Amino acid sequence: SQTIHQWPATLVQPVGSPLSLECTVEGTSNPNLYWYRQAAGRGLQLLFYSVGIGQISSEVPQNLSASRPQDRQFILSSKKLLLSDSGFYLCAWNAGTVNYGYTFGSGTRLTVV
Amino acid sequence: TQLLEQSPQFLSIQEGENLTVYCNSSSVFSSLQWYRQEPGEGPVLLVTVVTGGEVKKLKRLTFQFGDARKDSSLHITAAQPGDTGLYLCAGVLSGSARQLTFGSGTQLTVLP
Repeated sequence: SQTIHQWPATLVQPVGSPLSLECTVEGTSNPNLYWYRQAAGRGLQLLFYSVGIGQISSEVPQNLSASRPQDRQFILSSKKLLLSDSGFYLCAWNAGTVNYGYTFGSGTRLTVV
Repeated sequence: TQLLEQSPQFLSIQEGENLTVYCNSSSVFSSLQWYRQEPGEGPVLLVTVVTGGEVKKLKRLTFQFGDARKDSSLHITAAQPGDTGLYLCAGVLSGSARQLTFGSGTQLTVLP
């Protein structure tokens, strides 16, 4: 069966520090991968998506970047965090057709102080 | 401007009551999905509707896709405290093969 792992679960980082969040998927190959950010109790904003190794599409101009160094690995990064980067970050995957829905990781709560 | 508008934003009801959550747009979607999210967790897919006018039932939950494929509703019968959570609708825009657009969410609290 397919599983998605996202870590860390919680992170507190000072302003100006770097960021690296990792997401891995098991039990499938060539998944579509997504990074979302969610404000408290609200909907999800798509940040990046990837349809293959090295292929990254950015949806929103921001202080963040994404990379996909391996087929089932998706990394969200920042060189210098801003206070506005605080939020709940979710990784998700789906296999080809989006009509079958996304499977989400358990999320990372990032607080920039 | 939110592409998918959900209403109400917050809903607090007593156990045993019925409720309906709405998801509306001016855009046409090839499919709509509903997710439920608990605090500190990722959303979990409940259902996907793909045909205009389609109705799907999942125990006490009934999902409907509008005839014009621009809106959807989620009806819960005899709500229970375990139904508490954030309900999110998400749609695939016609012509967009890979991305979901999420609604703003409805926070449901069912009081015992």
